[in-house]
Amino acid sequence: DAGITQSPRHKVTETGTPVTLRCHQTENHRYMYWYRQDPGHGLRLIHYSYGVKDTDKGEVSDGYSVSRSKTEDFLLTLESATSSQTSVYFCAISSEGLAGAGEQYFGPGTRLTVT
Amino acid sequence: AQKVTQAQTEISVVEKEDVTLDCVYETRDTTYYLFWYKQPPSGELVFLIRRNSFDEQNEISGRYSWNFQKSTSSFNFTITASQVVDSAVYFCALSSDNAGNMLTFGGGTRLMVKP
Repeated sequence: DAGITQSPRHKVTETGTPVTLRCHQTENHRYMYWYRQDPGHGLRLIHYSYGVKDTDKGEVSDGYSVSRSKTEDFLLTLESATSSQTSVYFCAISSEGLAGAGEQYFGPGTRLTVT
Repeated sequence: AQKVTQAQTEISVVEKEDVTLDCVYETRDTTYYLFWYKQPPSGELVFLIRRNSFDEQNEISGRYSWNFQKSTSSFNFTITASQVVDSAVYFCALSSDNAGNMLTFGGGTRLMVKP
């Protein structure tokens, strides 16, 4: 199994509060991704990183920001959480960018509830 | 724009039956990559297979087989002699060289295998 951990695994927070989710990998992979999973939508890409301090937006990036100061850590921040951000969040890593079609390996997920 | 359609939202079979999960994709690119992932009830996402657009050979791995047909833009997944442990949500996904780092997922098919 790819060495990917996510923290916290579960979180309940109130509308308007900031929330940071952490993804940590031990594989030294260059590429890291954040997805959200919602019923009927499969997984949708929020942001991704192709190296330290190199990030870009995905399909559903509004309301989210990311940072990558070290190869092994990729942080996802909800600046002011809203109920529409209640979801399961998955981190993924890949040794190749999608342009190289490398398969992605996923973390265990974080279930976030915004009340 | 890329799109992946998994028209079967839920399938129920009895153990030992064969079952095929359908995946239809849309892309304008000539070079693209197709994936299948499994999400068991425990929630993690497990990579199953990757196919390149220039390789239409079907693939078999134990009870699993994949039928890639460019003519119909389909990448179907068959489980032979299904088992209860096959119960999961299965996702088909697509990426391409011109889609940047976007992996587009279908909505998923929930497979229930009953004893």
